[in-house]
Amino acid sequence: DQQVKQNSPSLSVQEGRISILNCDYTNSMFDYFLWYKKYPAEGPTFLISISSIKDKNEDGRFTVFLNKSAKHLSLHIVPSQPGDSAVYFCAASANSGGYQKVTFGTGTKLQVIP
Amino acid sequence: DAMVIQNPRYQVTQFGKPVTLSCSQTLNHNVMYWYQQKSSQAPKLLFHYYDKDFNNEADTPDNFQSRRPNTSFCFLDIRSPGLGDAAMYLCATLRGGLAGAYNEQFFGPGTRLTVL
Repeated sequence: DQQVKQNSPSLSVQEGRISILNCDYTNSMFDYFLWYKKYPAEGPTFLISISSIKDKNEDGRFTVFLNKSAKHLSLHIVPSQPGDSAVYFCAASANSGGYQKVTFGTGTKLQVIP
Repeated sequence: DAMVIQNPRYQVTQFGKPVTLSCSQTLNHNVMYWYQQKSSQAPKLLFHYYDKDFNNEADTPDNFQSRRPNTSFCFLDIRSPGLGDAAMYLCATLRGGLAGAYNEQFFGPGTRLTVL
């Protein structure tokens, strides 16, 4: 049972345009959401996060939107740059006694075309 | 630079031959995780340590064991690797804190395991 779903395995965007990566989740216990970026031959690196008490978090070119009622979040990258080409993992977290259990989606491979 | 290091980066073993993957960290984080990731799939949590407390996921096979001799090191032991255990194994750390506190995980580069 995939609790975090990224239904688009890949996405191609022109440089300078907006990239929108989507993620859906099913477990209402998740209350913290993260996006990780992964380059080939490297481990995932943290990109941006959002708490369930918010509906938007922005960090430079990256913005994450959360729609709790729809159990949906999205990552917007504006403007997209060739260096953004990577696999993006959506992750959802639930906290229990200081321990975070993180569930990952399958990833979306973003290609930014110069 | 503080980081999460995994050795080796590539490991080849034979069917049924025990193998150990290692992870070390300089972040002094109290939580360490092991994930298994197969091609085009989500990283799957195998187990984690919160300090010395070991927590196994319910669906992690008994074939997978882990040791954490100190804060800095964590090992993944696969007692009898099968062909289905070929995957990328990711180690991650996190600064665990009070309930309700969230932090991001820091990942190592992974170890690619091949089973012949």
